[in-house]
Amino acid sequence: QSVLTQPPSVSGAPGQRVSISCTGSSSNIGAGFDVHWYQQLPGTAPKLLIFADTNRPSGVPDRFSGSKSGTSASLAISGLEAEDEADYYCQSSDLSLSVSFGTGTKVTVL
Amino acid sequence: QVQLQESGPGLVKPSETLSLSCGVSGYSISNGDYWAWIRQPPGKGLDWIATISYGGVTQYSPSLKSRVTISLDTSKNHFSLRLRSVTAADTAIYYCARLTVSGQHFDYWGQGALVTVSS
Repeated sequence: QSVLTQPPSVSGAPGQRVSISCTGSSSNIGAGFDVHWYQQLPGTAPKLLIFADTNRPSGVPDRFSGSKSGTSASLAISGLEAEDEADYYCQSSDLSLSVSFGTGTKVTVL
Repeated sequence: QVQLQESGPGLVKPSETLSLSCGVSGYSISNGDYWAWIRQPPGKGLDWIATISYGGVTQYSPSLKSRVTISLDTSKNHFSLRLRSVTAADTAIYYCARLTVSGQHFDYWGQGALVTVSS
């Protein structure tokens, strides 16, 4: 059972901005562990989207941005495009050095 | 370019042992970083299974710790997963991935291998 909670789904029209929350606790995000985000297109392996809270790997559009505050983090997608329709997962670590993924959020482009 | 590729049986009988290997190319696993297994049951989310460092230090998911072994073979540049006493609940796509030491995130993933547990 995941200790990082995400909304099951979010949706938006092309060009709009959507945001996905990732809620943890004082033993993971709140303890200062970095939050990372992955995009999983249908039938493919997850792809790193944001690392260390706010950083984008080379090749990831700047439409994707991350933030963190307290025991939560967020992924924002601005200028939503049809190709952004996918599942998104947050990931962090905890005081026991375990790795946790979020419950996952399906983004639908209307 | 770092590439990872899972290999192993796609069908395992209940109560038997699931064995998978992850071949790494474009990078020597003894150079550093950590190596991990993650699984995804059909239609569900991602579950971390285990991690091993280049030095052989292991970390396991508490829920699977009693049944899992992760190991490293630097001579073949691959790492492996063994999951004992499997049930239908272990049916999933199994991914291998590199976990960066510096950032603790997974930057390279294999394409995934579907393993079905069924008699």
